[in-house]
Amino acid sequence: DTGVSQDPRHKITKRGQNVTFRCDPISEHNRLYWYRQTLGQGPEFLTYFQNEAQLEKSRLLSDRFSAERPKGSFSTLEIQRTEQGDSAMYLCASRVVSGSSNTEAFFGQGTRLTVV
Amino acid sequence: DAKTTQPPSMDCAEGRAANLPCNHSTISGNEYVYWYRQIHSQGPQYIIHGLKNNETNEMASLIITEDRKSSTLILPHATLRDTAVYYCIVRHTGTASKLTFGTGTRLQVTL
Repeated sequence: DTGVSQDPRHKITKRGQNVTFRCDPISEHNRLYWYRQTLGQGPEFLTYFQNEAQLEKSRLLSDRFSAERPKGSFSTLEIQRTEQGDSAMYLCASRVVSGSSNTEAFFGQGTRLTVV
Repeated sequence: DAKTTQPPSMDCAEGRAANLPCNHSTISGNEYVYWYRQIHSQGPQYIIHGLKNNETNEMASLIITEDRKSSTLILPHATLRDTAVYYCIVRHTGTASKLTFGTGTRLQVTL
């Protein structure tokens, strides 16, 4: 499978615990995005990376959230001290941005987080 | 990026054409119209995009009005597998970053 891979697909955690999600983008895709989607709403942008550099963060990304892409390949999204309001689907997307070789964004299946 | 307006839901009989409208009256000259869809419990999937001219690919056709203030996504022969939420998004192309999703149109294809 050469698509965007996210792990885990589902995560149930107790309020106050930390959780970490992983995203493996399509190989050679230099840009990686994280989105969050709550029930009945469209995905909301959280942050994106160009290779290993985090270039933009949404105001939705509170201090409890941190994302990394240390080697410019896979990325992790960590949520510290989870709250019930963090319950959502977390989506990862990747694309190529390179002058005339831009592609569209390809999304993974998402990680569904439930905070109890 | 310009905002878009879509009907919250639509029905379509299987085998018939599904025509999904989108208003984007504040679109600027260098903004493209993109369509994505999201089947239940999956990530969004790119369908098509266009600037001024009508576009067609293996999935759908995109008709953009001459003033570019609205567009229509056409699924020529809808199947049950086309049941999904369809998002119309307007954004700059090229190195532009994020996609700004609205609430989309929930298309229900029925027998």
